[in-house]
Amino acid sequence: QVQLVESGGGLVKPGGSLRLSCAASGFTFSDYYMSWIRQAPGKGLEWVSYISSSGSTIYYADSVKGRFTISRDNAKNSLYLQMNSLRAEDTAVYYCARDLCSSTSCHPRAFDIWGQGTMVTVSS
Amino acid sequence: EIVLTQSPGTLSLSPGERATLSCRASQSVSSSYLAWYQQKPGQAPRLLIYGASSRATGIPDRFSGSGSGTDFTLTISRLEPEDFAVYYCQQYGSSPLYSFGQGTKLEIK
Repeated sequence: QVQLVESGGGLVKPGGSLRLSCAASGFTFSDYYMSWIRQAPGKGLEWVSYISSSGSTIYYADSVKGRFTISRDNAKNSLYLQMNSLRAEDTAVYYCARDLCSSTSCHPRAFDIWGQGTMVTVSS
Repeated sequence: EIVLTQSPGTLSLSPGERATLSCRASQSVSSSYLAWYQQKPGQAPRLLIYGASSRATGIPDRFSGSGSGTDFTLTISRLEPEDFAVYYCQQYGSSPLYSFGQGTKLEIK
């Protein structure tokens, strides 16, 4: 079945780094745009970053620009988020999500498949 | 920057009643780029509606979306016990590239 599974979360000190992974299965990963979305404890959803199907187009939220790097390996059906210079306010559950936008059509736009999330805690 | 404001913050209703949730954008949003999600405690969000009015795969027809421009609505025609959750609207297209509303909590009265 169509599935996304995140891993790599954990406890890290302020200023530290962490790399999240998202393994995709059940669909042609290389066809779809992908995003990372996070949710701080008890808070709403915040989009973090997006990468096109080929990896040629990348966007970041202002809150993580210059600190986080999104990437993908279509041969391994995997999405990544390298997080550097972590801050307490980065503490959240991080979800990877598939965009309805694919290599064939980008209308409409929404996130139709979500992983279960991985918790990142930034604390000393 | 487009800001999505959802109302009410909390909606208290009984099973069988009709729920109407609002999402207002600070600037016009293309209908193609407005979506609604349901999130239950401890779970990932689930896509309900995309393109403002199209139901996602497997979503019951008691869920419907409408609206255009800056005003969008999610309607649940007859509430089932499993519908009590938090609902988010989301837009694509303007800085930030994607943004979500702050959520409406639908609770049992």
